[in-house]
Amino acid sequence: AQSVTQPDIHITVSEGASLELRCNYSYGATPYLFWYVQSPGQGLQLLLKYFSGDTLVQGIKGFEAEFKRSQSSFNLRKPSVHWSDAAEYFCAVVGVSGTYKYIFGTGTRLKVLA
Amino acid sequence: EADIYQTPRYLVIGTGKKITLECSQTMGHDKMYWYQQDPGMELHLIHYSYGVNSTEKGDLSSESTVSRIRTEHFPLTLESARPSHTSQYLCASSENQVLSIGEQFFGPGTRLTVL
Repeated sequence: AQSVTQPDIHITVSEGASLELRCNYSYGATPYLFWYVQSPGQGLQLLLKYFSGDTLVQGIKGFEAEFKRSQSSFNLRKPSVHWSDAAEYFCAVVGVSGTYKYIFGTGTRLKVLA
Repeated sequence: EADIYQTPRYLVIGTGKKITLECSQTMGHDKMYWYQQDPGMELHLIHYSYGVNSTEKGDLSSESTVSRIRTEHFPLTLESARPSHTSQYLCASSENQVLSIGEQFFGPGTRLTVL
């Protein structure tokens, strides 16, 4: 069965520091992978997605993620965090099984220190 | 920018009341979804639809029901609300892409509190 693990429930970084949020997935083939961000009281906004091709994908707001098949990982990175990046981040996987159902991780809450 | 709307944004009601959470999208998407999200938890799919007159139950059992009479509208109904239904409900939609899986666009959510 498909699953997504985000090992870090909370992460705190200083503004201007680099950021890496971890995501590991379990799926028999190459899945479709997504990172979403959720600000308080809001819905989810897509940051980036990976379907195939180049394993390093660029997203909005200066985020990028790298797909590593050997590690079953899709970690999200940003070289310099801004205070406005404080939010909840969700990794999601969709298996190519025709159901189009997303499986979300439990999320990582990012706190940014001024 | 995503055009998917949910009303009400916040709802506080008493036990036993019937409620309907509205979700509408203006993007012409065939696929629509309802998720339940408790604070600090992942999203759980409770209902989805691939088009008009198509509805399916998701992975998380829910006492709610949905309907899809029009492409743009996917309301969720609770016939008799209970405190255990207190949660945030997120609606989403995506394009009906044949060869790939499209991005899901999310509404702002409805935070439901049942007293």
